[in-house]
Amino acid sequence: DAKTTQPTSMDCAEGRAANLPCNHSTISGNEYVYWYRQIHSQGPQYIIHGLKNNETNEMASLIITEDRKSSTLILPHATLRDTAVYYCIVRAKPRTISGGGADGLTFGKGTHLIIQP
Amino acid sequence: DAGVTQSPTHLIKTRGQQVTLRCSPKSGHDTVSWYQQALGQGPQFIFQYYEEEERQRGNFPDRFSGHQFPNYSSELNVNALLLGDSALYLCASSLERSTEAFFGQGTRLTVV
Repeated sequence: DAKTTQPTSMDCAEGRAANLPCNHSTISGNEYVYWYRQIHSQGPQYIIHGLKNNETNEMASLIITEDRKSSTLILPHATLRDTAVYYCIVRAKPRTISGGGADGLTFGKGTHLIIQP
Repeated sequence: DAGVTQSPTHLIKTRGQQVTLRCSPKSGHDTVSWYQQALGQGPQFIFQYYEEEERQRGNFPDRFSGHQFPNYSSELNVNALLLGDSALYLCASSLERSTEAFFGQGTRLTVV
């Protein structure tokens, strides 16, 4: 799996949009971009994933650049409960039904996002 | 739906001992993965089980072994414990063809 680079930490004011960047310049054509977050003392939580189009769900939006070398996770209205470590992961899509499912996730150190009141 | 459940939540073992950690996947999920998370680090992939077989393995020694049962639940066994095995052990479940993994709360293992 390709490696990712994220800032170690970021601050954001409550109620504002939090924009978390991720560089993945060595991503290959069959690799997706995933985001997970881990709130203190809990297991990681899936947020969103995408291949090349922008994606949005009830938690966040994912913006992937046209060359797919970087992406941004956007939390549109950050709350104090969004304080967590956010992990950007690139991962090959599942091979085939008979060839095995998705590979294990390769986590880096992530970005510690702190939402300030 | 109880989600992914792990037991025990905390455990203290002595160096050289053996430990077994347990995981019940989310209802309907058939694939279980195990991760080790040292303090201040991201989770590290240990191995993945599907259809009661180890399908993929990360860079962990043979002291780490596992098992998956017909009901898809799983165990992680660690032999000859080292102080460096102290960590949060996370279990994640998913559907075989799905790319979204659901994590449990983890088991905090302390080796003294």
